[in-house]
Amino acid sequence: DTAVSQTPKYLVTQMGNDKSIKCEQNLGHDTMYWYKQDSKKFLKIMFSYNNKELIINETVPNRFSPKSPDKAHLNLHINSLELGDSAVYFCASSQDGSAGKRSYEQYFGPGTRLTVT
Amino acid sequence: AQKITQTQPGMFVQEKEAVTLDCTYDTSDPSYGLFWYKQPSSGEMIFLIYQGSYDQQNATEGRYSLNFQKARKSANLVISASQLGDSAMYFCAMRESGMNTGFQKLVFGTGTRLLVSP
Repeated sequence: DTAVSQTPKYLVTQMGNDKSIKCEQNLGHDTMYWYKQDSKKFLKIMFSYNNKELIINETVPNRFSPKSPDKAHLNLHINSLELGDSAVYFCASSQDGSAGKRSYEQYFGPGTRLTVT
Repeated sequence: AQKITQTQPGMFVQEKEAVTLDCTYDTSDPSYGLFWYKQPSSGEMIFLIYQGSYDQQNATEGRYSLNFQKARKSANLVISASQLGDSAMYFCAMRESGMNTGFQKLVFGTGTRLLVSP
């Protein structure tokens, strides 16, 4: 069973469109994240949710809106897509550290490669 | 200011040799953690090893060990007996904790591309 899954794996769309990326984790973790990896491979956190509540919101354009219907799901909706949004988007999840140091580990999904043309 | 620094954009090693990938970090938080992740060409992020700031011993996971030097703020990854399958990007990351241990985010370095040759 896949621990953290994302759909779709590839997404090609035109500028100005609105698109969503879905993420699900079956690990029972409380916290989920969205990261963006740019063309230079640099990974940067965008958002984090803990038990469906937004706890981290980095400097991200408000065209990006995360939604967590329950603690196993964290979706990312992007409005009015721009060329600069082209990147690989990773979803991740983690438990807190109370269960031992390995519980700090963040489990990553396979990534969604978004290409905006 | 950059919090995680990986100064080696690329490294080469021969199969069966050991290699050290450098990572230095900057934080004023007394409680933090350091991770290494591997990203092969297929793109997934694979957890390798974790070191907590209060851990007394250096972390080891199979062929991976973390050379943690707290005073120098370095957390180098050592891969022993390199294999061809170790060719990948390697990212060092630091866990920044908030007031609640569940509220953490990872700050990543720019990565080191390792190429293992036969």
